[in-house]
Amino acid sequence: EAGVAQSPRYKIIEKRQSVAFWCNPISGHATLYWYQQILGQGPKLLIQFQNNGVVDDSQLPKDRFSAERLKGVDSTLKIQPAKLEDSAVYLCASNGHGSSGNTIYFGEGSWLTVV
Amino acid sequence: AQKVTQAQTEISVVEKEDVTLDCVYETRDTTYYLFWYKQPPSGELVFLIRRNSFDEQNEISGRYSWNFQKSTSSFNFTITASQVVDSAVYFCALSYGGSQGNLIFGKGTKLSVKP
Repeated sequence: EAGVAQSPRYKIIEKRQSVAFWCNPISGHATLYWYQQILGQGPKLLIQFQNNGVVDDSQLPKDRFSAERLKGVDSTLKIQPAKLEDSAVYLCASNGHGSSGNTIYFGEGSWLTVV
Repeated sequence: AQKVTQAQTEISVVEKEDVTLDCVYETRDTTYYLFWYKQPPSGELVFLIRRNSFDEQNEISGRYSWNFQKSTSSFNFTITASQVVDSAVYFCALSYGGSQGNLIFGKGTKLSVKP
């Protein structure tokens, strides 16, 4: 079974530029999550999708971050304009059968450096 | 509010030693899940175990074992006869809001196993 796929793996941008990360969850998984992991810390949930709807985006900085999952499969996370403090690993995760009863699988992450 | 504390920032052991990683959590939810994840240098979070709040049975999986005690709000993880391949950052996490995917992570414990 293929895992959660993310791209790009690494990205370096200047502050005030924009960047987009893509995630393809495990086939059939209805629930998709984006987490932000700053160096030396544990991951923090940014947004949760159930199919193509947003379930929880309470910790997403909406002035600069946006995410979509238009067809309920893959998802894109965008940052515009980026700030230095956005330097982090952005982890995508998914699980099936809604948000209960199944293991959450994480991708390898997209490493962002803002200079 | 939910909180996960991993007091040990870094642990260094010699191969074949046993090591215990501590995790203390706080929550007002009556139903919740606790997790341990392993994060090797590649960045991917590897699922190790999930425990629900109603199941306090200890679990053993090969060299890994977990001790869940609701009375002390702890969910400790022991690796027996550690190996170099166990070197990684280990995260304890707590679900919130009734969703297994909405996780609060601790700051992680970096385990170094030396040959």
